Amino acid sequence: GENVEQHPSTLSVQEGDSAVIKCTYSDSASNYFPWYKQELGKGPQLIIDIRSNVGEKKDQRIAVTLNKTAKHFSLHITETQPEDSAVYFCAARWGGKLIFGQGTELSVKP
Amino acid sequence: KAGVTQTPRYLIKTRGQQVTLSCSPISGHRSVSWYQQTPGQGLQFLFEYFSETQRNKGNFPGRFSGRQFSNSRSEMNVSTLELGDSALYLCASSLGLAGIIDTQYFGPGTRLTVL
Repeated sequence: GENVEQHPSTLSVQEGDSAVIKCTYSDSASNYFPWYKQELGKGPQLIIDIRSNVGEKKDQRIAVTLNKTAKHFSLHITETQPEDSAVYFCAARWGGKLIFGQGTELSVKP
Repeated sequence: KAGVTQTPRYLIKTRGQQVTLSCSPISGHRSVSWYQQTPGQGLQFLFEYFSETQRNKGNFPGRFSGRQFSNSRSEMNVSTLELGDSALYLCASSLGLAGIIDTQYFGPGTRLTVL
């Protein structure tokens, strides 16, 4: 089956710096890659997604890149703010279900 | 548009009991997926229901079951609870149309504690 690896598990940055989270997947049949942000006591919230026929997508301070050949995709957050502090999950859609990475706890220090 | 709602938000049960969790999807969404979230295993897919039929299933024992009603609301049931079933149970809804990749929107989850 599909396996998604996510790195790093924790990331601490200064406010205003950029943050990058990387994920790799194992099955080339995966065709959709969403990123979710989860704050304490809440369910995951979709922040950006990318389909396998697209290499890059950007939404304001957030961007995602996909390298299908290498089977990896990354989340880039620029100009980080304290409210970006949360746990971020990548996922791959495989066989109609979402397979999640283990999560990255991002801490943005003011 | 109202988001995905889950009830109850918190539950405490003892080993051997059974529990039923409820999920109301976003209006117009016909697919409901259930996930278990634990610190050790992360987010794991339980099953997906579409039009009252289970369309997809993860690798969980038969103690975990679900159903979907004609209004797309879904329930999941866990029988003979074990300590390891303590987790945050999340449901996610989507349009679910065949051949279309659509976004899954998550509810706030039900926190189940098994004593």
